[in-house]
Amino acid sequence: DAGVIQSPRHEVTEMGQEVTLRCKPISGHDYLFWYRQTMMRGLELLIYFNNNVPIDDSGMPEDRFSAKMPNASFSTLKIQPSEPRDSAVYFCASSLAGGVYEQYFGPGTRLTVT
Amino acid sequence: RKEVEQDPGPFNVPEGATVAFNCTYSNSASQSFFWYRQDCRKEPKLLMSVYSSGNEDGRFTAQLNRASQYISLLIRDSKLSDSATYLCVVNLPRDAGKSTFGDGTTLTVKP
Repeated sequence: DAGVIQSPRHEVTEMGQEVTLRCKPISGHDYLFWYRQTMMRGLELLIYFNNNVPIDDSGMPEDRFSAKMPNASFSTLKIQPSEPRDSAVYFCASSLAGGVYEQYFGPGTRLTVT
Repeated sequence: RKEVEQDPGPFNVPEGATVAFNCTYSNSASQSFFWYRQDCRKEPKLLMSVYSSGNEDGRFTAQLNRASQYISLLIRDSKLSDSATYLCVVNLPRDAGKSTFGDGTTLTVKP
């Protein structure tokens, strides 16, 4: 299996621009998670989906962030407009089922907003 | 108080040393426990699950103490390649499907 796939791997954009991050989970996994990691705040859960339905988005920083999962094999995380404080590594992860099973992470998207 | 707390580290040890990390969790009903490893600028990867009876994988031993609500990771005969950040992960029953990650403990193994 190819594992969790994320694109792009690196993104540099100017403040105010729209940024879209993409994720393809492992086939057959029912859960998909979006995380953000910075040195200051560590690994933060932003939102997660179960069978394409958002379950908990309490970690989404503000209305500038939105996430969708139109089907079982694709999800996007969008930031509009982007700000320098959004600079971080964004990870997507998926798991077979909730609770008992481990999560598998993608390689991450390193976002820099200037 | 955080739901999952780890020794902040950093731990700097010589090759061949034995090192142990602890992690405490606050919810006594927590169900599943894991240790992940994260290398610099890489994604977290599962190192091992933690079972109630304790489990071993080569030089790595994980243990769970439900009474005291902590899990531990023991690394024996440490190698340079063990240098990484180790994340404690707990699945909480009220958050069906979600995992709570500790902030991680950084280990540096020196020649």
